[in-house]
Amino acid sequence: QVQLVQSGAEVKKPGASVKLSCKASGYTFSTYYMHWVRQAPGQGLEWMGMINPSGDTTTYPQKLQGRVTMTRDTSTRTLYMELSSLRSEDTAVYYCARDQGSGWLDYWGQGTLVTVSS
Amino acid sequence: DIVMTQSPDSLAVSLGERATINCKSSQSVLYSSNNKNYLTWYQQKPGQPPKVLIYWASTRESGVPDRFSGSGSGTDFTLTISSLQTEDVAIYYCQQYYDGRTFGQGTKVEIK
Repeated sequence: QVQLVQSGAEVKKPGASVKLSCKASGYTFSTYYMHWVRQAPGQGLEWMGMINPSGDTTTYPQKLQGRVTMTRDTSTRTLYMELSSLRSEDTAVYYCARDQGSGWLDYWGQGTLVTVSS
Repeated sequence: DIVMTQSPDSLAVSLGERATINCKSSQSVLYSSNNKNYLTWYQQKPGQPPKVLIYWASTRESGVPDRFSGSGSGTDFTLTISSLQTEDVAIYYCQQYYDGRTFGQGTKVEIK
């Protein structure tokens, strides 16, 4: 069965960077787009961007351009997301998710809480 | 960017009654070449990631109860729960996949 297992919770200071991971199993990792979505406490879902199957093309919303970097390692079936220049507003649960192939997100990781606090 | 706006922000419905959630996009998400609406609906329960209910605006995901239905085209869409059950208490999000991805702000559904 498809599984996306994310790395553990992080606590970071403002201005620092965080790199999260998401390990995939149960399907052919190298043939699916992958996404990151975050959710601030008590708030809605925010799309953070996506990476193509080969890992050579990324798409980010303008709001996060320059601060977010998504990569993937096919050999270890792992997706990564690095967010830099952290501020308190980046405190959120971060989810990785698989793109079904036509655009919706059909499998999600369990989420990773990132807390940004001085 | 395509902005997705849901209404209402929350609603309380009696058990067995109908719940209706609306979603409006700032531009059409209907792709003319295949006549498909690039719109999906998710359900999120506390402490869980979202779960797909509906894609292509009106196609129910496998395993989703048939009391959930989606309709609409272009810029205006609706998710209907025909007979609300206790397990349907959740937050519901629409999301477009026509250009990048954007989510609506969510609609919280509760029991009256």
